Amino acid sequence: KAGVTQTPRYLIKTRGQQVTLSCSPISGHRSVSWYQQTPGQGLQFLFEYFSETQRNKGNFPGRFSGRQFSNSRSEMNVSTLELGDSALYLCASSPRTANTEAFFGQGTRLTVV
Amino acid sequence: GQNIDQPTEMTATEGAIVQINCTYQTSGFNGLFWYQQHAGEAPTFLSYNVLDGLEEKGRFSSFLSRSKGYSYLLLKELQMKDSASYLCAVSHNSGNTPLVFGKGTRLSVIA
Repeated sequence: KAGVTQTPRYLIKTRGQQVTLSCSPISGHRSVSWYQQTPGQGLQFLFEYFSETQRNKGNFPGRFSGRQFSNSRSEMNVSTLELGDSALYLCASSPRTANTEAFFGQGTRLTVV
Repeated sequence: GQNIDQPTEMTATEGAIVQINCTYQTSGFNGLFWYQQHAGEAPTFLSYNVLDGLEEKGRFSSFLSRSKGYSYLLLKELQMKDSASYLCAVSHNSGNTPLVFGKGTRLSVIA
């Protein structure tokens, strides 16, 4: 069974640009969560989707958005990039409920210059 | 809200035993996960505790005390490959609420 796949693995963007990251969950998993990981703050929750609906949202500005498609694949978008958005963005999928074991992708390393 | 604390860094010697602690304050506690994350890689599942007590899995064991809001991960017979970050994560009893992670403990195993 294929794991969680995130693309791209690495991205370099300049301030003010926007970026879209993609996540394909494990086949059959319907819950997809996104996290931002930085050395100082650890893993911080961005949002969670289930059956194309956002069920939970973390404490991030509106520049961060996401969506989920009918095949459970998910994308997150960050607009008007800031230097502080440089981080590892991790996607995790779970079979049904978000409070069970999360299976993580390798992440997308975003660098904003 | 939820508050999860774990030490930032620890160092231990190859072959030794190390205990990584995690304390949490949360309402609606459902269970506690431990994940291992090597540098540049995805976090991977190590253990899950929902009841009080010790769960042993090979060289790794995890303990939970729900009344004290306390867990620890015990690593025995340390190997160099155990150098990684160890994340504890709290599960809420609402199925809609994703796991909340501590900031992680970076463990360095030295010869």
